[in-house]
Amino acid sequence: NAGVMQNPRHLVRRRGQEARLRCSPMKGHSHVYWYRQLPEEGLKFMVYLQKENIIDESGMPKERFSAEFPKEGPSILRIQQVVRGDSAAYFCASSPPNRGAYGYTFGSGTRLTVV
Amino acid sequence: SQQGEEDPQALSIQEGENATMNCSYKTSINNLQWYRQNSGRGLVHLILIRSNEREKHSGRLRVTLDTSKKSSSLLITASRAADTASYFCAQDDAGGFKTIFGAGTRLFVKA
Repeated sequence: NAGVMQNPRHLVRRRGQEARLRCSPMKGHSHVYWYRQLPEEGLKFMVYLQKENIIDESGMPKERFSAEFPKEGPSILRIQQVVRGDSAAYFCASSPPNRGAYGYTFGSGTRLTVV
Repeated sequence: SQQGEEDPQALSIQEGENATMNCSYKTSINNLQWYRQNSGRGLVHLILIRSNEREKHSGRLRVTLDTSKKSSSLLITASRAADTASYFCAQDDAGGFKTIFGAGTRLFVKA
């Protein structure tokens, strides 16, 4: 059981480029969550997805950010025309449909640096 | 905002001492969770306490929950240098779709 896999671990983009962050949930997990963490801060919720459905995107900036979780393949967080303020660690978490008494399983994150 | 607040923001103790971290939240909860994050890593789930529970133990961890005061505490007994990390409390939002994290307590255990 490989856990939640995120790639790349580190991503450097120039201002105006696109960033694509990938997340493969744990085997058997159909729910994916994306969080953003700025240095020395907690995690800020971005979006919650199930296969082929966005359930809650209330934490996503209205422009430039999008997320998907296709029927096949990993979940993708896409940031278009990146700006310096997008530099952060982006974490993906997954859970089974009935999380019950368990917390989320987090990936190791993608650290995005915009230069 | 439903976000919890951890207290203190930072804590430095000697190995062997106990570490206590507190969390306050604003709205009703179904459960409260504690996570640890080592520097540069993802979060690791430590323990979940339900709203009808008052105390829960897991190894050297003890979590209490006081729903009347909307607060929780995490106690790490006999701390070790390896406990050095950031600790976050988190609550599921009212809709149950997402978990809201506090800003965390940074614990440093000196060997």
